[in-house]
Amino acid sequence: QKEVEQDPGPLSVPEGAIVSLNCTYSNSAFQYFMWYRQYSRKGPELLMYTYSSGNKEDGRFTAQVDKSSKYISLFIRDSQPSDSATYLCAMSLPSNTGKLIFGQGTTLQVKP
Amino acid sequence: DTAVSQTPKYLVTQMGNDKSIKCEQNLGHDTMYWYKQDSKKFLKIMFSYNNKELIINETVPNRFSPKSPDKAHLNLHINSLELGDSAVYFCASSQGAGTKSPLHFGNGTRLTVT
Repeated sequence: QKEVEQDPGPLSVPEGAIVSLNCTYSNSAFQYFMWYRQYSRKGPELLMYTYSSGNKEDGRFTAQVDKSSKYISLFIRDSQPSDSATYLCAMSLPSNTGKLIFGQGTTLQVKP
Repeated sequence: DTAVSQTPKYLVTQMGNDKSIKCEQNLGHDTMYWYKQDSKKFLKIMFSYNNKELIINETVPNRFSPKSPDKAHLNLHINSLELGDSAVYFCASSQGAGTKSPLHFGNGTRLTVT
């Protein structure tokens, strides 16, 4: 069993829909949780960063962490065709090495 | 101005060859990484250097040898390439090696071994 599980999709939604992307994990020691967006043929770029449990909002994006359930989510409101990409969750231990454990990524397509 | 740049972008080579991938960052970061992304898009860390010192060395065959001549550069040399080495290799950098520092990725080097 992988440390971080993420449904690879693909997920197809109409423009304007609310998108929910999720990851589950097995290591309760993870403290830092991130969402990266990766466009085709590009490197991942950081979207959201949260520490421990709770919610964080940035524009149309909201990240949620539920440590008791070992479950994290990314919500995208009013989705746009430009949101079409692969979304990777990542998490790390409270160490000083910077090592990230990534999920497989969910491919999202937003249709106009 | 590309923050993290990798060369080459594409690399096609035959089994048994030796190849190198170069990475440079102009962000002034002191930590650099190599990640490997397989065909199923799993990204997995291979190496990390902080101030030219190796701090992460995952279970990677010793055919892979990273070299960091200075804080702004981290190169990856691969000996005796195998079919299973085909993947996209991403270089990344961050300010500090701690987990509070977001990673900035390059756009990857697509390695195909035939």
